[in-house]
Amino acid sequence: SSELTQDPAVSVALGQTVRVTCQGDSLRSYYATWYQQKPGQAPILVIYGKNNRPSWIPDRFSGSASGNTAFLTITGAQAEDEADYYCSSRDINGNHYVFGTGTKVTVL
Amino acid sequence: QVQLVESGGGVVQPGRSLRLSCAASGFTFSRYGMHWVRQAPGKGLEWVAIIWSDGNNKYYGDSVKGRFTISRDNSKDTLYLEMNSLRAEDTAVYYCARDRMVSLIRYFDLWGRGTLVTVSS
Repeated sequence: SSELTQDPAVSVALGQTVRVTCQGDSLRSYYATWYQQKPGQAPILVIYGKNNRPSWIPDRFSGSASGNTAFLTITGAQAEDEADYYCSSRDINGNHYVFGTGTKVTVL
Repeated sequence: QVQLVESGGGVVQPGRSLRLSCAASGFTFSRYGMHWVRQAPGKGLEWVAIIWSDGNNKYYGDSVKGRFTISRDNSKDTLYLEMNSLRAEDTAVYYCARDRMVSLIRYFDLWGRGTLVTVSS
């Protein structure tokens, strides 16, 4: 099965920009989806498709991709953006799904 | 109110069985595929299984295939996960999540709050 690799942790100063990366072979065929999870809470959808946000996600969140890598960018990070972020995509065979290893974003 | 509510978690001995439920409300349940996703304590998310909207197609993650069965009752707006031969490594919070497909892009757009399963003697 496919794997999606993320950096374990990144930090960003309040109001600055941070980029979270997700790498895996399945991303050459399928878009990544990004989820945010805060401690003790269920994940919520942040970015899907090429660069689509649900209505409840602020426009400082954006997505992009290149080759086998997907990126989640937070432009002007806020304290409330501190959370774990997971990428996900369909597996190479198309019927299974895989999650990334997760990235803890700390806002300083 | 659009929501998913899981139930059925608890403490179970290794080798025993447990059935989880996920009650859907606020949307037409029968139109959506549904997933189970789990998260071991302090660990990342792991996809468990998917069932298509009509219940005719089901797929499982390698770690649960042959032991877990996903099913649904569209007349009751409820998703199930039957877990057999449970192991300590199945200990996790189990989330149900709604499958959404837009222009061939598939993702989980709605999540429940999860139910904790602890496998321990």
